[in-house]
Amino acid sequence: DVKVTQSSRYLVKRTGEKVFLECVQDMDHENMFWYRQDPGLGLRLIYFSYDVKMKEKGDIPEGYSVSREKKERFSLILESASTNQTSMYLCASSSTGTPANYGYTFGSGTRLTVV
Amino acid sequence: AQSVTQLDSQVPVFEEAPVELRCNYSSSVSVYLFWYVQYPNQGLQLLLKYLSGSTLVKGINGFEAEFNKSQTSFHLRKPSVHISDTAEYFCAVTGSNDYKLSFGAGTTVTVRA
Repeated sequence: DVKVTQSSRYLVKRTGEKVFLECVQDMDHENMFWYRQDPGLGLRLIYFSYDVKMKEKGDIPEGYSVSREKKERFSLILESASTNQTSMYLCASSSTGTPANYGYTFGSGTRLTVV
Repeated sequence: AQSVTQLDSQVPVFEEAPVELRCNYSSSVSVYLFWYVQYPNQGLQLLLKYLSGSTLVKGINGFEAEFNKSQTSFHLRKPSVHISDTAEYFCAVTGSNDYKLSFGAGTTVTVRA
């Protein structure tokens, strides 16, 4: 089975801190995604990457950046954390081409609280 | 761009009763549709997907969904729910040659004994 591993389940950070959320997948998937999940809003796409060193903005990229130096690892960076970035963050991966044939595989999520 | 609307935010249901979760999509081109489930404190897990062919799709855990192009709907059903079906359910859509899924706001199903 494909595994997508997010490094932390729970994280508490202070306003203004630089925060790194790490995601690793073990099935050689080309595509990786970062979503945030908020009650009543569903999942909103922050950034995605379809190849090493490639990245594209999703629907809500402001205040975030990403890094993909290796195929298996996709990092989400909060440059200066703010309280409105308190949320559940979900990483996902999918195989070559489109997700239509395979769907996404999700990690367990990181619940980030910014105080 | 494709989008989905989940018409119910909360669905309470008694154990062994049937349940239907409604999802409408918005697109004028070919779409692929998915249902995911999220159990408490977990990530999302694929329940089923519609890519083409038969409009009735069967998934895991006894769930099924029907693709209706004329009504632009993809409703999820289960004839008899269990307590363990308590979870949040997400409908999602993508178009051909698209890397990204767009998700609905989610429907929380609470199964009571």
